[in-house]
Amino acid sequence: GENVEQHPSTLSVQEGDSAVIKCTYSDSASNYFPWYKQELGKGPQLIIDIRSNVGEKKDQRIAVTLNKTAKHFSLHITETQPEDSAVYFCAASAGGGNQFYFGTGTSLTVIP
Amino acid sequence: NAGVTQTPKFQVLKTGQSMTLQCAQDMNHEYMSWYRQDPGMGLRLIHYSVGAGITDQGEVPNGYNVSRSTTEDFPLRLLSAAPSQTSVYFCASSYSGGYNEQFFGPGTRLTVL
Repeated sequence: GENVEQHPSTLSVQEGDSAVIKCTYSDSASNYFPWYKQELGKGPQLIIDIRSNVGEKKDQRIAVTLNKTAKHFSLHITETQPEDSAVYFCAASAGGGNQFYFGTGTSLTVIP
Repeated sequence: NAGVTQTPKFQVLKTGQSMTLQCAQDMNHEYMSWYRQDPGMGLRLIHYSVGAGITDQGEVPNGYNVSRSTTEDFPLRLLSAAPSQTSVYFCASSYSGGYNEQFFGPGTRLTVL
């Protein structure tokens, strides 16, 4: 089955700086890569996703890049704010399929 | 819309006891799923359903049963709880799986003694 690795496990940045979280996947059939944000005591919430026919996608301060050849994808958060502090998960799925494989999560702390 | 609801929020069981974790959604979603979240291991798929009457196993199905008799409800049953099933359980739903956004419930924290 698919194996998704996520790094780093913890990340601290100063407010206003950028944060980057990286994931790799093993199954070349995976072609859908969502990112979730989980705040303390809540369920994960989708923040951005990307399909394998696109190399980059941006939504305001959040962007995701995908390198299919190297089998890795990254989340970029610019101009970080304290409310960005949360745990972020990457995931991979063979699009059209119904099984999602998650990374182990990155705890992001934005220091005011 | 209430979205995805889960009950109970917290539960303590003794080894060998059985229980059912409830999940309901009011968005008329066809796809529903159950995950467990353990420290350092992310979320792992237990079972999922693509519609009423249709269920399938995920990555870690052993020790859990599911059924889907209605579009709205997708209960998760632990027949004989074990300490290894101590975890936080999340239910999620989406319009039809695949590329569609999954909406997660607030979770159930289960402790098995």
